[in-house]
Parts: sequence; structure tokens; C-alpha cells
Amino acid sequence: DIQLTQSPSSLSASVGDRVIITCRASQSISNYLHWYQDKPGIAPKILIYAASSLQSGVPSRFSGSGSGTDFTLNISTLQPEDFGIYYCQQSYSNPRTFGQGTKVEIK
Amino acid sequence: QVQLQESGPGLVKPSETLSLTCTVSGDSISTYYWSWIRQPPGKGLEWIGYVYHAGTTYYNPSLKSRGTISIDKSKKQFSLNLRSVTAADTAVYYCARETNNGWYYYDSWGQGTLVTVSS
Repeated sequence: DIQLTQSPSSLSASVGDRVIITCRASQSISNYLHWYQDKPGIAPKILIYAASSLQSGVPSRFSGSGSGTDFTLNISTLQPEDFGIYYCQQSYSNPRTFGQGTKVEIK
Repeated sequence: QVQLQESGPGLVKPSETLSLTCTVSGDSISTYYWSWIRQPPGKGLEWIGYVYHAGTTYYNPSLKSRGTISIDKSKKQFSLNLRSVTAADTAVYYCARETNNGWYYYDSWGQGTLVTVSS
């Protein structure tokens, strides 16, 4: 199985801050890497697919980059509604796997 | 816009079979992979497996062959059966659609249903 390791596990930032979350794969996954936002009581929401493509309807303050084994999710200007847990997920091979999550709290 | 809705018992006894169904509306059930994903309380997301519209399946080996996913295209439903459950199977279970654009990410999810394994 391909392991995905996210860092940090949690962070606290102020509105307006730039936030960067990283995801490292245990082997190369090309750019089959996707990012989701998870909030309590609602289903996860796709933000970024194929490492850097913004899903339709997602604010442009979210961006992604990377290829191979190292990926980042960038929130350029943190907003109050951006709290939650962010997960990376790979679809390069089966079984599909998720990172352990990064909890983002608003100061 | 596609919508997915899980249904099934919220409480299952240990050693019994967990059975859930996902009903798809608003789009065709064909040409996609349909997945089950779960989230134990306070923990991360775990992929259970998928079924392709043609019936092909793949399961997470972590389930140790306890899972079966099937599809009924006439009813626009797909189902999960998980046998011999234990407390470790307590989780919110989501059904989700995997895109068919070559990237295979989850663009549509059900609302999730909590299944508790307890006697």
C-alpha cells in the first residue's frame, strides 16, 4: 500500500495567514494526489485534484502543487470558514489511501 | 447534479453483518467507480473498496476479505456487506463517486451514516 504522511498534524493560524500543508507519499504517485476538506457533520469536499487542479466552485485561495512523492496544499489567505481537517488521497494505485489528516484551527 | 444517499441499520451486533445501500440520483450509475469510505469516531478516512458499473470490485486488504460490494443498475443502487463485525468497525460510512476523467478522485459523497457495533 502507498502510505501518505501529512504534516503538520495540526496547526493554529489567524485569519489572513498563509497556511501550507504537506503530503509525502511512500513511493512516486505522479500527480494522482487530491486534497479534501472535512468538517464535522458533513461529507468531505474535494478542493484540489491531480495535485494542482482547482475543483469547480472552490475559492481560488486554495492551491496545490507537487509531483512524484512531495505535495503541498496552500491556503493563501486563511478565512474563518476554512477550519476543519484536510486530507490528501492518492489514486495512483489500489488500495486508495488517505493521509492521516491535518487539523486547521482558527486563532 | 448527482446525489448519493446511504441507508441501513445504525446499530449492528458484534459478529453479525453490516449492510448498507447507497442510492444514486441525478446522474447515470454507469461509467463510474462507486466507493465506500468510512471514518471511525475521531479518526481519519479509510477506503473500503469500490464497484465498477460493470461489476468489477476491489477491496481494501485491511478488511481481511470480510467485505462485499455489489451494484444494481436497474435500481441505481450499490451496496456494502461487511461480515463478522467488531467494535472496530464502528464508523461513519460514506458512499462516494469516483470520477471517470482519468484522475479517480471523489467528487460526490453521501451525507454519511453512523453505524455502531454493539450488543
